[in-house]
Amino acid sequence: AQSVTQPDIHITVSEGASLELRCNYSYGATPYLFWYVQSPGQGLQLLLKYFSGDTLVQGIKGFEAEFKRSQSSFNLRKPSVHWSDAAEYFCAVTGGSQGNLIFGKGTKLSVKP
Amino acid sequence: GAGVSQSPSNKVTEKGKDVELRCDPISGHTALYWYRQSLGQGLEFLIYFQGNSAPDKSGLPSDRFSAERTGGSVSTLTIQRTQQEDSAVYLCASIPISPAGGQEQYFGPGTRLTVT
Repeated sequence: AQSVTQPDIHITVSEGASLELRCNYSYGATPYLFWYVQSPGQGLQLLLKYFSGDTLVQGIKGFEAEFKRSQSSFNLRKPSVHWSDAAEYFCAVTGGSQGNLIFGKGTKLSVKP
Repeated sequence: GAGVSQSPSNKVTEKGKDVELRCDPISGHTALYWYRQSLGQGLEFLIYFQGNSAPDKSGLPSDRFSAERTGGSVSTLTIQRTQQEDSAVYLCASIPISPAGGQEQYFGPGTRLTVT
């Protein structure tokens, strides 16, 4: 069965520091991978997605992610974190012909000044 | 343009009561999904509608949950005889066409359901 693992429940970084959020997936075929962000009381906003082609994808708000098939990973990175990046981040993969998203448990990011 | 909207934004109900949650997808979007976000289970798929086809109900946790989509647009998720474990945020998402290819899903702000 398809699954997504985000091993870090909570991460705290200093403003201006680099960030990497980990995501590992289990999927039988070529996956469609997504990163979503959820600010408190808000819905989910797409940061970036990977379907095929270049394994390094750029997203909004300065985020990027790298697809590594050999490691079944799709880690999210940002070179310099801003206080406004504090939120919860979800990695997801599409599963099944109906295209529903299978989410990881999420990583909550706190940013300290 | 307008995004996905959901109502109510918050709902408090007593155990055993029925509730209806509404989702208005983006105009023209043919596919619609319901998800549930709870502390214990994270984000879970509930049900999927594609056009006028029969919905995929494979994610519904029990027969107390049902959903319909009228006229290929507005959807209502109904929970009968609510239980405390139904307390969660219910999210709706839509996409413009068939899901083949993994299009981006556009999410609404959610309905926070609290069962007392």
